[in-house]
Amino acid sequence: EDQVTQSPEALRLQEGESSSLNCSYTVSGLRGLFWYRQDPGKGPEFLFTLYSAGEEKEKERLKATLTKKESFLHITAPKPEDSATYLCAVSSSYIPTFGRGTSLIVHP
Amino acid sequence: KAGVTQTPRYLIKTRGQQVTLSCSPISGHRSVSWYQQTPGQGLQFLFEYFSETQRNKGNFPGRFSGRQFSNSRSEMNVSTLELGDSALYLCASSFNSDEQYFGPGTRLTVT
Repeated sequence: EDQVTQSPEALRLQEGESSSLNCSYTVSGLRGLFWYRQDPGKGPEFLFTLYSAGEEKEKERLKATLTKKESFLHITAPKPEDSATYLCAVSSSYIPTFGRGTSLIVHP
Repeated sequence: KAGVTQTPRYLIKTRGQQVTLSCSPISGHRSVSWYQQTPGQGLQFLFEYFSETQRNKGNFPGRFSGRQFSNSRSEMNVSTLELGDSALYLCASSFNSDEQYFGPGTRLTVT
């Protein structure tokens, strides 16, 4: 059974204070690891897909990296509008397993 | 390109009733997946439809069912509603089952 653990559960940052979110996973044959952002009352918004260890992807202030056991979402110089819940998911078949998410609050 | 749409956005039902939720995927996407999101369990996969066929199913009771039409639109039905079915139901469409694009969800409250 695929498992995903995200840490920390909640993170408070000051604007400009860079940090990283962790997603640890166990899966029998990784097809892909996905990062999503979810704002309150809305559906998750797709951010990245990572397929193999060593892969990295960037989008604005976000950078996702992947190893064989975990993925990191690095947030550089965050702004208040980056406040959201960040979800990680893995897929070993066509059934994705989601983590519980990290709730990020960025204070101005 | 228009995003995923879900109707209705909010719904209040009574225990024992049934409910049907609708999802219109992004044009060109043939895969539609349904999820249940609750504070206690997080985001859980219900099932996926691809070209009108259920391709994958999560660990939910048979009261939860779905279907997909030839235009890729999908419906999800929950029969004999229970209080624990109160949740945000999310639909996601995908071209290749990897990158999923979610709708805004239907907030179901069972009283």
